[in-house]
Amino acid sequence: DAGVIQSPRHEVTEMGQEVTLRCKPISGHDYLFWYRQTMMRGLELLIYFNNNVPIDDSGMPEDRFSAKMPNASFSTLKIQPSEPRDSAVYFCASSLSYRGNTEAFFGQGTRLTVV
Amino acid sequence: AQSVTQPDIHITVSEGASLELRCNYSYGATPYLFWYVQSPGQGLQLLLKYFSGDTLVQGIKGFEAEFKRSQSSFNLRKPSVHWSDAAEYFCAVGGGKIIFGKGTRLHILP
Repeated sequence: DAGVIQSPRHEVTEMGQEVTLRCKPISGHDYLFWYRQTMMRGLELLIYFNNNVPIDDSGMPEDRFSAKMPNASFSTLKIQPSEPRDSAVYFCASSLSYRGNTEAFFGQGTRLTVV
Repeated sequence: AQSVTQPDIHITVSEGASLELRCNYSYGATPYLFWYVQSPGQGLQLLLKYFSGDTLVQGIKGFEAEFKRSQSSFNLRKPSVHWSDAAEYFCAVGGGKIIFGKGTRLHILP
């Protein structure tokens, strides 16, 4: 398997624009996570899904953020409208069974810059 | 509340020296504990994990960690570091959400 695949790797956009980040989890994994990494706040869990259903979105910072998982092989994280403070590296991760007994496998991340 | 503290933001050691990275956690039940490593521009890679049993766990790249319930700690160790170990290291606790510490950046002196 190619691992967790995220696209794009880098995104530069202007404030106010819509941004969509994409993730393809490892085939067969039933949990998917979105994390955001910044120098100030470290690695924050934004939302996670089990079998395509959102389980906990308490980490989503604002209503400008939304995430979907229409099927087992694809997820999106959307920011609309984007703001400079959204600049960060966004990671997608997947795991086979999210009860702590298996680890999360991470993608390479999307570096978002909002100017 | 679930939390992870890595008290050292940066650590510098000489190549060949031993290493210990500290991690303290707060969790209401028996924790699932992880150490991940992140190289620049890369995602996170699992080094090792603890769920139960032997409190000393072995991982990849010669790393090990010891779970001490009485101290709520899960420190990462390596007897002799290599220049290629320079990276950022994250401790995490799960058993529900997986929460990460803020990381420790390891620098290696030649």
